[in-house]
Amino acid sequence: GDSVTQMEGPVTLSEEAFLTINCTYTATGYPSLFWYVQYPGEGLQLLLKATKADDKGSNKGFEATYRKETTSFHLEKGSVQVSDSAVYFCALSVMNRDDKIIFGKGTRLHILP
Amino acid sequence: ETGVTQSPTHLIKTRGQQVTLRCSSQSGHNTVSWYQQALGQGPQFIFQYYREEENGRGNFPPRFSGLQFPNYSSELNVNALELDDSALYLCASSWAGRDEKLFFGSGTQLSVL
Repeated sequence: GDSVTQMEGPVTLSEEAFLTINCTYTATGYPSLFWYVQYPGEGLQLLLKATKADDKGSNKGFEATYRKETTSFHLEKGSVQVSDSAVYFCALSVMNRDDKIIFGKGTRLHILP
Repeated sequence: ETGVTQSPTHLIKTRGQQVTLRCSSQSGHNTVSWYQQALGQGPQFIFQYYREEENGRGNFPPRFSGLQFPNYSSELNVNALELDDSALYLCASSWAGRDEKLFFGSGTQLSVL
C-alpha cells in the first residue's frame, strides 16, 4: 500500500543552521506530495506541496523537490529560526483513487536560540 | 486560523462509553474528513463525508461512524470506547476534489480511561 517514511526526531538545531528533514514515499499511482506543519496546540497547516515530478514547493523559506527517481521529497531550509520549532509531517495523496491523505509519523524540530 | 472549529477541545471517557465529537467546516467547504492522531504518530484517515454521504473510509472498525449535516458541519461518533482510542481527533474541511486544500481544526483530545 501507499506509505510515507520520514526521518525520526527530535531534530535539534541552533538558530540559523541549515535544515534537512528526509522523506521517502511508496505509491502505486502518481501522488501529490505535501509537507504539513503542526505548531504546539494547533492543527496541521499545509506548508508546501508539489503535484508532479521535478516540481519544487516552497513557502516561508522552506523548499522541497519532488524526486520521482528516488521517490523522495526532502524538506530544506537554509537558515532556521526559533519560531520554526514544530512537528513536520510529510504526506501524499493519490487523487481520483480515494480522497485520503497518508501522513508520515512526523519529525519534531527544536531550534535553540 | 483556518475557520475550522472542533468541540470539545478535551474529553475524558471510560472504556465502553460512547462519544460524539463535532466539527464546523470552513465557510464554502462541502467536504469534511476525520483523522485520528495517536501520540507520536501521524494522522490516520478515518473517513470523509461529501454532501452528507460517506465518501471514503480508512481502516477503522464500524464502531467509528459519522454524520454530515446540510450546513456541512459534521460529527464523529465512537461506540464502545477502547483504551487505544485515546488520541487527538482532527477534522479537516475542503472543497471536493482538492485534497491539497485541506484546512484542519485544532482537534479534540480524547482520553479513554
